[in-house]
Amino acid sequence: DAGVIQSPRHEVTEMGQEVTLRCKPISGHNSLFWYRQTMMRGLELLIYFNNNVPIDDSGMPEDRFSAKMPNASFSTLKIQPSEPRDSAVYFCASTTLERNTEAFFGQGTRLTVV
Amino acid sequence: KQEVTQIPAALSVPEGENLVLNCSFTDSAIYNLQWFRQDPGKGLTSLLLIQSSQREQTSGRLNASLDKSSGRSTLYIAASQPGDSATYLCDLEYTGNQFYFGTGTSLTVIP
Repeated sequence: DAGVIQSPRHEVTEMGQEVTLRCKPISGHNSLFWYRQTMMRGLELLIYFNNNVPIDDSGMPEDRFSAKMPNASFSTLKIQPSEPRDSAVYFCASTTLERNTEAFFGQGTRLTVV
Repeated sequence: KQEVTQIPAALSVPEGENLVLNCSFTDSAIYNLQWFRQDPGKGLTSLLLIQSSQREQTSGRLNASLDKSSGRSTLYIAASQPGDSATYLCDLEYTGNQFYFGTGTSLTVIP
């Protein structure tokens, strides 16, 4: 398996534009997580899905953020409209719902909003 | 909210030295504890996972221990190498798929 795949790796966009980040989890994994990493706040959990269903989105900072998982092999994190303070590295991770299994992370998407 | 602290925030050691990274937490009712490394500009790579019923796990030169009663986990790296230079993060999992990451320790191994 190629691991968790995120795209794009880098995104530079202007304030006010819509940004869509994509994630393909490891095949067979049924739990998917979106994280944001900044120097100030470290790694924060934004939202996670079990079996394609959003379970906890309490970490989503504002209504400008939304995430979907239309099927077991694809998820998106959308920011609309984007703001400079959204600049961060966004990670996707996947694991199985069985207890005591490791989580595997993608390489991340570095987002810069100017 | 769970507090997860990693001390020191940065560490620099000469090659070949053994070292210990610390992870402290306030809520001991954990499911799992996982140690990751992160290289600059890269994602997180899983190193070791310790289940709540275990006290330690070993992989090569790495040994991770877990003491829930004292709210502490350590990552021991033997015979450090320049390739070990990275940021090391501990991640605690609680019931309901709640995850809390530590603040990270930036390690530099000097050749």
